[in-house]
Amino acid sequence: GENVEQHPSTLSVQEGDSAVIKCTYSDSASNYFPWYKQELGKRPQLIIDIRSNVGEKKDQRIAVTLNKTAKHFSLHITETQPEDSAVYFCAASSVNRDDKIIFGKGTRLHILP
Amino acid sequence: SQTIHQWPATLVQPVGSPLSLECTVEGTSNPNLYWYRQAAGRGLQLLFYSVGIGQISSEVPQNLSASRPQDRQFILSSKKLLLSDSGFYLCAWSGYRTGELFFGEGSRLTVL
Repeated sequence: GENVEQHPSTLSVQEGDSAVIKCTYSDSASNYFPWYKQELGKRPQLIIDIRSNVGEKKDQRIAVTLNKTAKHFSLHITETQPEDSAVYFCAASSVNRDDKIIFGKGTRLHILP
Repeated sequence: SQTIHQWPATLVQPVGSPLSLECTVEGTSNPNLYWYRQAAGRGLQLLFYSVGIGQISSEVPQNLSASRPQDRQFILSSKKLLLSDSGFYLCAWSGYRTGELFFGEGSRLTVL
């Protein structure tokens, strides 16, 4: 089955700098790669996603890149702000097969003042 | 609009007692339904998922079980809780082949 590895587990960046979180997946049939943000004590919420027919997607300060050949995808947050502090999860799924969604272990992002 | 309800929000149970967590979705039909557990290490572990009534796939062998008695109802159960069952349980739904998950507010279970 699918296995998703996520790095780093903890990341501290100065406010205004960029943050990058990387994930790898094992199942070549996976074709949908979402990223979720979980603030303390709250439920995870989707912040951006990418499908296998696209190499990059941007939404304001957030971007995701996908390399299907290497089976890895990354989340990029530019001009980080205090409200970006949270736990971020990557995930992989094959939405044309079984819709099973497997998550990485998460990255705790700290934005330093 | 679609909403997902999960209860109870907090639960403290002794070892060996039974468990029932319930989740319902409103505003959509035939959703995919999921149970995840988030232990202290914060990872989201998939426990069960269902693509239809009576269709349950189990991802992790354990003393938990799931049932889907109605289209928009998903129940997580245990006959005898273990200490290791403590954690934050999240129910979620997605549309057929759409991918995006919508999570409930979670149930925090402490087994003593």
